Amino acid sequence: SQTIHQWPATLVQPVGSPLSLECTVEGTSNPNLYWYRQAAGRGLQLLFYSVGIGQISSEVPQNLSASRPQDRQFILSSKKLLLSDSGFYLCAWNRDTHSYEQYFGPGTRLTVT
Amino acid sequence: GQQVMQIPQYQHVQEGEDFTTYCNSSTTLSNIQWYKQRPGGHPVFLIQLVKSGEVKKQKRLTFQFGEAKKNSSLHITATQTTDVGTYFCAQAGMSNDYKLSFGAGTTVTVRA
Repeated sequence: SQTIHQWPATLVQPVGSPLSLECTVEGTSNPNLYWYRQAAGRGLQLLFYSVGIGQISSEVPQNLSASRPQDRQFILSSKKLLLSDSGFYLCAWNRDTHSYEQYFGPGTRLTVT
Repeated sequence: GQQVMQIPQYQHVQEGEDFTTYCNSSTTLSNIQWYKQRPGGHPVFLIQLVKSGEVKKQKRLTFQFGEAKKNSSLHITATQTTDVGTYFCAQAGMSNDYKLSFGAGTTVTVRA
């Protein structure tokens, strides 16, 4: 069976510090991968998605970047965090075979102070 | 791009009662999905509807796709405290990236 991992689970970082969040998927190959951000009490905002190694598409201009160094690894980064980067970051995957349902990781709660 | 609108934003329900939440679009949808996010948790896939007029049931949950494929509903009967959470609908485009566009969600609270 497939599983998706995210770490860390929670993170408190000062403004201006760098960020690296990691997401890995097990039990499948060549998944589509997605990064979302959810502000408190709000909906899901798609940040990045990837259909393959090294292929990253950005949905919104922002202070963040994403990379996919391996087939089942997706990384979200920032060089300098802003207060507005606080939120709940969710990684998700789906199968690359006409499947639309997405499976989410447990998420990372980021607080920028 | 296409957007789906969910109503109501909040639903306060007495335990044991029924309620319905709606997902509407101004354009025809290729499919609609529903997810549930418990407080403090992550969204979990519930169901996908593809066909016009499709109805699917999961225990006390009934999902329906409109005949014109422009709206969908989730009906919960005999609400329980385990139904607490936010229910999102999402629609997928036709591109190969399988991106989803999520509604803002309906947050459900239950009075015991």
